[in-house]
Amino acid sequence: QVQLVESGGGVVQPGRSLRLSCAASGFPFSSYGMHWVRQAPGKGLEWVAIISYDGSNKYYSDSVKGRFTISRDNSKNTLSLLMNSLRAEDTAVYYCAKGWLQLDYWGQGTLVTVSS
Amino acid sequence: QSALTQPASVSGSPGQSIAISCTGTSSDVGGYNYVSWYQQHPGKAPKLMIYEVNNRPSGVPDRFSGSKSGNTASLTISGLQAEDEADYYCNSYTSSSTWVFGGGTKLTVL
Repeated sequence: QVQLVESGGGVVQPGRSLRLSCAASGFPFSSYGMHWVRQAPGKGLEWVAIISYDGSNKYYSDSVKGRFTISRDNSKNTLSLLMNSLRAEDTAVYYCAKGWLQLDYWGQGTLVTVSS
Repeated sequence: QSALTQPASVSGSPGQSIAISCTGTSSDVGGYNYVSWYQQHPGKAPKLMIYEVNNRPSGVPDRFSGSKSGNTASLTISGLQAEDEADYYCNSYTSSSTWVFGGGTKLTVL
């Protein structure tokens, strides 16, 4: 069965960096696009970024463009999100999700708190 | 990248039908048949309920259906059950090669 397990969340000071990871199993990881989606406490879902199956195409929301970088290692079935210049408004649960036009499986999320 | 517009809340009694609307623009909802819907129970990850406007993934009850007219998509749940109480989000592909969610709708089963 499809499993997506996020890790790397925690408390970080504003302006610092953090790298999130998503370990995938149960499907041919190298054949699927992957998304990052976040949800601020008590708020709705916000799409963050997507990477194509081979890593050749990457797209970002305006709110993170230039600060966040999505990447993948198909040899390790791992998706990553490098988050630089973090702001208080980046505080959220970050989910990885499988798919391209729709997000058909989601991980349980990892909480990132940006606070001094 | 403005969020799609959904009603903040809807409610219905068990057995009734409800519809949740999702309004965008010709650059997202109206321009593509790539609207999907997600159900999220408190403290849980979202779950895909409808994709490409009106398709149900395996395992999703046929009480859930989707449609689209112009720039507005809709999720209809018929024969409401207590376990349907959750937050629902629409999502669309956009002309900027990005994706956008709606603000979410809280469904209360009375």
